[in-house]
Amino acid sequence: DSGVTQTPKHLITATGQRVTLRCSPRSGDLSVYWYQQSLDQGLQFLIQYYNGEERAKGNILERFSAQQFPDLHSELNLSSLELGDSALYFCASSARQGVHYGYTFGSGTRLTVV
Amino acid sequence: TQLLEQSPQFLSIQEGENLTVYCNSSSVFSSLQWYRQEPGEGPVLLVTVVTGGEVKKLKRLTFQFGDARKDSSLHITAAQPGDTGLYLCAGDGGSQGNLIFGKGTKLSVKP
Repeated sequence: DSGVTQTPKHLITATGQRVTLRCSPRSGDLSVYWYQQSLDQGLQFLIQYYNGEERAKGNILERFSAQQFPDLHSELNLSSLELGDSALYFCASSARQGVHYGYTFGSGTRLTVV
Repeated sequence: TQLLEQSPQFLSIQEGENLTVYCNSSSVFSSLQWYRQEPGEGPVLLVTVVTGGEVKKLKRLTFQFGDARKDSSLHITAAQPGDTGLYLCAGDGGSQGNLIFGKGTKLSVKP
């Protein structure tokens, strides 16, 4: 158990639908990162939050949004889902900003859009 | 755009063999990290290398950061089936303040 909790573990939904993925960071970690992993693209950075504020944005589609709540858990909202959104979505956390400290990843949410 | 290229993409070896996987870029990184990912799990941090030329050892795994801080290698001695997994290198994404990842080397060690 890495200490980063992601729910649900699996999600199957239809095109056009909206889903919410949830992440609880490791205790004490203020930064949360969301990544998408697909077979052809590898791990792609989506967005980062630090202590409730958005700090960095990667290749995140406009149909996707995220937030970090006062208790530091984070949610990634995916809407108007397309077949191509099927992927593994990982949340990671770190105690401080700065990549040198390394990230702790959750076990991911496998999203299948049918 | 900073990119990390990993090679080989796939590697299948017998238990007891040695192997080296590579992570290369045309960009300079302030640090590089190596992660191992097993099926159904998230990546797990193995090591961070920060200084050009740095060598770090983790049991049978040896990590090296290139002198120019553009590349890194991971050498495994006497591979075991438990070493099977996807090995990912990652470096800082610059102004974005996040990690960028290579696509990984998928290692299979057969008993």
